[in-house]
Amino acid sequence: DAGVTQSPTHLIKTRGQQVTLRCSPKSGHDTVSWYQQALGQGPQFIFQYYEEEERQRGNFPDRFSGHQFPNYSSELNVNALLLGDSALYLCASSFDRGSRETQYFGPGTRLLVL
Amino acid sequence: QKEVEQDPGPLSVPEGAIVSLNCTYSNSAFQYFMWYRQYSRKGPELLMYTYSSGNKEDGRFTAQVDKSSKYISLFIRDSQPSDSATYLCAMRRTGANNLFFGTGTRLTVIP
Repeated sequence: DAGVTQSPTHLIKTRGQQVTLRCSPKSGHDTVSWYQQALGQGPQFIFQYYEEEERQRGNFPDRFSGHQFPNYSSELNVNALLLGDSALYLCASSFDRGSRETQYFGPGTRLLVL
Repeated sequence: QKEVEQDPGPLSVPEGAIVSLNCTYSNSAFQYFMWYRQYSRKGPELLMYTYSSGNKEDGRFTAQVDKSSKYISLFIRDSQPSDSATYLCAMRRTGANNLFFGTGTRLTVIP
């Protein structure tokens, strides 16, 4: 049973460019959350998708947007990249069962903005 | 003030030692508490999941939650070199979907 997968593993972009990161959830999971982890910090919540809708959003600007597809996979898009967007972007999947939800993380995509 | 505080370490212990990792938090609405292990350049791996106060044991790992003190702990018995990683505490409010993480504690177990 494959766990959470993410692509690409690494990415280098320049300031002002746009990037799309992809995530496939663990089999049986229907909910996808995205987190940003800066070097030496804990992950910070960006947003969560359920039933193809953004269900909750963290304190991130509108430059960060996402999408969930009918097969539950998800994309994270970041526009107008800034140097400060350099981080490990983590996708976490879960099965929505209310309060008992447990999130499982993928290996992440490491983004470097030059 | 951050909602979750965690000593970043680094922490170095000899093989076989008992390791104690801790987090404090400020939001009394947190009800679900997790510990994740993150190896270098990998995603976090769920180790322990507890609800409200109390203890939970799984093999060499024990998680404790003291809601009255807003303090959670992870104990690792008979530590192994393979336990060398960064340990992240995380927590969530009832009805919310986002996890709040500590900064992580980097642990090295020396053979």
